[in-house]
Amino acid sequence: DQQVKQNSPSLSVQEGRISILNCDYTNSMFDYFLWYKKYPAEGPTFLISISSIKDKNEDGRFTVFLNKSAKHLSLHIVPSQPGDSAVYFCAASAPGTSYGKLTFGQGTILTVHP
Amino acid sequence: DTGVSQDPRHKITKRGQNVTFRCDPISEHNRLYWYRQTLGQGPEFLTYFQNEAQLEKSRLLSDRFSAERPKGSFSTLEIQRTEQGDSAMYLCACREGDQETQYFGPGTRLLVL
Repeated sequence: DQQVKQNSPSLSVQEGRISILNCDYTNSMFDYFLWYKKYPAEGPTFLISISSIKDKNEDGRFTVFLNKSAKHLSLHIVPSQPGDSAVYFCAASAPGTSYGKLTFGQGTILTVHP
Repeated sequence: DTGVSQDPRHKITKRGQNVTFRCDPISEHNRLYWYRQTLGQGPEFLTYFQNEAQLEKSRLLSDRFSAERPKGSFSTLEIQRTEQGDSAMYLCACREGDQETQYFGPGTRLLVL
């Protein structure tokens, strides 16, 4: 039972353009969402998060949007840079019920071409 | 370096051997998690510690797996009688108090031959 899904295994964009990574979830108990970036042979690095009481959170080039009714979130990277090329994971938690453990999607490989 | 560290970074072992991994979390972070990641998948939760107490274990954590956090600081994950299916990246993460963000270590990549 895949509670968090990233349906696009890969995404390729040109440098300077916008990258949009999508994530869907099924568990309505999730109320905190995070995006992580991962390079090969390294652990995930935290990028940005959003609580369910918000619908948008920005941090520099990164913006996360949350649509609770659709159980959908997205990560926008503007402008995209070659150094952004990595695997991106969305993750969700239900802090009040499960000690904050994270449930991850399968990941999306982002490639940004110069 | 004040981040999460894991040791070893890589481990190759033969089927049936025991292995132990160590995680040193960020010092003031009292909550510690272990995850496992296999190729093409996201990390999957294994177990959770709050200080020295192990409060949750996933059904993925068979009886061959044991984890400890004896003094509420570093943690160890031991796999007994390793199987080829145990080959994966084992990740440790921590967070502080009521903060929601988890910070990950670099992981230990295990290969069971």
